Amino acid sequence: EIVLTQSPATLSLSPGERATLSCRASQSISTYLAWYQQKPGQAPRLLIYDASNRATGIPARFSGSGSGTDFTLTISNLEPEDFAVYYCQQRSNSITFGQGTRLEIK
Amino acid sequence: QVQLVESGGGLVKPGGSLRLSCAASGFTFSDYYMIWIRQAPGKGLEWVSYISSGSTHIKYADSVRGRFTISRDNAKNSLYLQMNSLRVEDMAVYYCARVSRSASGWPFDYWGQGTLVTVSS
Repeated sequence: EIVLTQSPATLSLSPGERATLSCRASQSISTYLAWYQQKPGQAPRLLIYDASNRATGIPARFSGSGSGTDFTLTISNLEPEDFAVYYCQQRSNSITFGQGTRLEIK
Repeated sequence: QVQLVESGGGLVKPGGSLRLSCAASGFTFSDYYMIWIRQAPGKGLEWVSYISSGSTHIKYADSVRGRFTISRDNAKNSLYLQMNSLRVEDMAVYYCARVSRSASGWPFDYWGQGTLVTVSS
């Protein structure tokens, strides 16, 4: 099973700052990686697919990069509504999710 | 617009059974793979099972194989999850989600609101 390790576990930032979230795979997954945002009491929402493509309706401040084993989700100029939990997910070998990064207001 | 609405969750004793349903609308249901994903209270996301558009390709997570059965009725635009021999560790919010057709990496582009399954004596 491919393990996805997200870091940091918690990220404390202020609105207007840039957030950089990491997802590392235990073996190469090419670009078969997606990112999701989840707010309390809500279902996850797809942000990024195939490592770097924004999903429909996702603002341009969200961007994804990486391939192989190392991936990054960048949120530039944080808005108040961006504070949530973020998960990465792969499907190169079965399906696994990372454990999540909580982005909280500093 | 795409909508997925789960139902069927509730309180069940260990060893009991439940059948979850997911009603789909706003898209051609029969064209898409569908998946069940669960989230235990305060925990992360775990895939449970997925099914191909024509029900010919089905997979289960090791944690539920032999106890859960996924199915779909394309005429009714509905996805199901029959859960037997439920355990305390199956307690979670269960989401149905659509597997995107326009991406290589199998992202889940639409999700339902989830239905809570509580397993307790």
